[in-house]
Amino acid sequence: QVQLRESGPGLVEPSQTLSLTCSVSGGSITGGSYYLTWFRQPAGQGLEWIGRMHTSGSIYYNPSLRSRVTISLDTSKNQFSLNLRSVTAADAAVYICARETSGGYDYFDSWGQGTLVTVSS
Amino acid sequence: DIQMTQSPSSLSASVGDRVTITCRASQNIGAYLNWLQQKPGTPPKLLIYAASTLPSGVPSRFSGSGSGTDFTLTISSLQPEDFATYFCQQSFSLPRTFGLRTTVEVK
Repeated sequence: QVQLRESGPGLVEPSQTLSLTCSVSGGSITGGSYYLTWFRQPAGQGLEWIGRMHTSGSIYYNPSLRSRVTISLDTSKNQFSLNLRSVTAADAAVYICARETSGGYDYFDSWGQGTLVTVSS
Repeated sequence: DIQMTQSPSSLSASVGDRVTITCRASQNIGAYLNWLQQKPGTPPKLLIYAASTLPSGVPSRFSGSGSGTDFTLTISSLQPEDFATYFCQQSFSLPRTFGLRTTVEVK
């Protein structure tokens, strides 16, 4: 397993872009076949899957967020990122990155601690 | 999206009790069901994958069963370190979806 850690601004103004980074340590981000995933959890609610990027580069976004989301990979820094455009108060949540296995009965084998993002002017 | 309905939302139990948590999927997901445990301030930990498979390091008092739409997580003899939150997650299709979690509290 690797260790994941989210970083980024804890406060974003409405209509702006939320940008977060997930840094991977203890192994190469492309060391194997995995899905690099972003979730969010609004206060008092369940986990919402935002999207994922395979280490080969293929991407899939939650249709509910697809028009505003971009996930990208920076292998030189061993990290992957989330951009969420045109945020509103409804986007306030704890954002969490995770790694999912690929190739059968998949599961999340590594998780970040999560980072709280507030949307306010 | 596949809806995952988990019950109960919370339960009170004592050390040594047998605890059962259920999870129901809104459609047939075969055995594509995982169980996770989370404690305050820490990331989730995988307990069971493929409905009934324990990863290495997970105590044998945890077990999972079920297939299709109905699944169960059982803790055969609750230990002090098991007071935590548990949730199910389907890996059958995208987007991945989760149950709303069960909190196991001290009775």
